[in-house]
Amino acid sequence: AQTVTQSQPEMSVQEAETVTLSCTYDTSENNYYLFWYKQPPSRQMILVIRQEAYKQQNATENRFSVNFQKAAKSFSLKISDSQLGDTAMYFCAFMKQRGLVDMRFGAGTRLTVKP
Amino acid sequence: IAGITQAPTSQILAAGRRMTLRCTQDMRHNAMYWYRQDLGLGLRLIHYSNTAGTTGKGEVPDGYSVSRANTDDFPLTLASAVPSQTSVYFCASRAAKNTGELFFGEGSRLTVL
Repeated sequence: AQTVTQSQPEMSVQEAETVTLSCTYDTSENNYYLFWYKQPPSRQMILVIRQEAYKQQNATENRFSVNFQKAAKSFSLKISDSQLGDTAMYFCAFMKQRGLVDMRFGAGTRLTVKP
Repeated sequence: IAGITQAPTSQILAAGRRMTLRCTQDMRHNAMYWYRQDLGLGLRLIHYSNTAGTTGKGEVPDGYSVSRANTDDFPLTLASAVPSQTSVYFCASRAAKNTGELFFGEGSRLTVL
């Protein structure tokens, strides 16, 4: 079974600074997808960024980028120029490509951006 | 606005009562999912359906049942609610041909007393 571990329950960062959220996962699959979802106080789950395991290039979406280390099974999220609106719970998630059935989530990291 | 609609948004329920959480999507996605979110545990899959007429068990299926009579609707039923089922429940869907991304409803907060 796949497991996803987020070792930082809570983090904080000053507005305009950069912060990195950690995520590791365990799987025997070779082809899979990795995701970061954001959950603001509104409770809505919002996709931040996605990475295909077969792609060596790290995904980037505006101020959000990932550091994907397949051999180390590590998938960290970097948020640059942090904004107050980035305050949220962030979940790392894994889905194996075969079957596309079960998306596994980490426990989450609560990020607070301070003015 | 296209997406997933869940109802009710919030509900307090006495233990032993039957409860159905409703989920409707208008994106014509084949696959649908029910997750529960608990503090410190993230989201865990309860049941899923790859297409209308089929369902499967996820990681934590006990005490829950689902049905998928058509593409759009995927209700989750608690036959006899227990306090450990107090949680926030999310319905999600996925298109047939995409890279795994799930689209989520806004969640239903259920409290079982």
